[in-house]
Amino acid sequence: KAGVTQTPRYLIKTRGQQVTLSCSPISGHRSVSWYQQTPGQGLQFLFEYFSETQRNKGNFPGRFSGRQFSNSRSEMNVSTLELGDSALYLCASSLGAAEQYFGPGTRLTVT
Amino acid sequence: KNEVEQSPQNLTAQEGEFITINCSYSVGISALHWLQQHPGGGIVSLFMLSSGKKKHGRLIATINIQEKHSSLHITASHPRDSAVYICAVRMYSGGGADGLTFGKGTHLIIQP
Repeated sequence: KAGVTQTPRYLIKTRGQQVTLSCSPISGHRSVSWYQQTPGQGLQFLFEYFSETQRNKGNFPGRFSGRQFSNSRSEMNVSTLELGDSALYLCASSLGAAEQYFGPGTRLTVT
Repeated sequence: KNEVEQSPQNLTAQEGEFITINCSYSVGISALHWLQQHPGGGIVSLFMLSSGKKKHGRLIATINIQEKHSSLHITASHPRDSAVYICAVRMYSGGGADGLTFGKGTHLIIQP
């Protein structure tokens, strides 16, 4: 089985712009979670989706949003980018609330 | 105060040593995960526990629900075990289970 894929792998954006990141889960996995990792805050939970429904949301401002499609692929969007949004964004897929399989991440740099 | 505390933050050991990394949490959980992250960012899930003990190769994970504590052990450590080990818990909330809450990680270096 192919693993979790994320695109793009690297991204450079300017403050004020918006960005969309994509995640394709392992085939058959209906749960997708998104995480942000920074040197200062470590790993933090962003959202969790299951069958196109957001099940949980972390403590992030409304500029961070996401969605899941009928094929379980997921996207997250960050609007009005700030320097502090520079981070590694990871997605993980699972069969429900089971062990999570992580993608390689998208490294976002905001200048 | 972080809801998930890991210790030690950094650990350097010699090849072959027995390694223990600890994780304590403060509220009720539905599951605890141990993750491994190598330089470059890739994260691998090692274990998911809700009770007892699990073993995979040289890795052993235990959890004590009453004491809200888990340990990850590495037997016969090897330089390829050098990585950051992260504990994460899925806590209960009013609406069910929350997303994962992470510890700060333990940076392990195994010297040959």
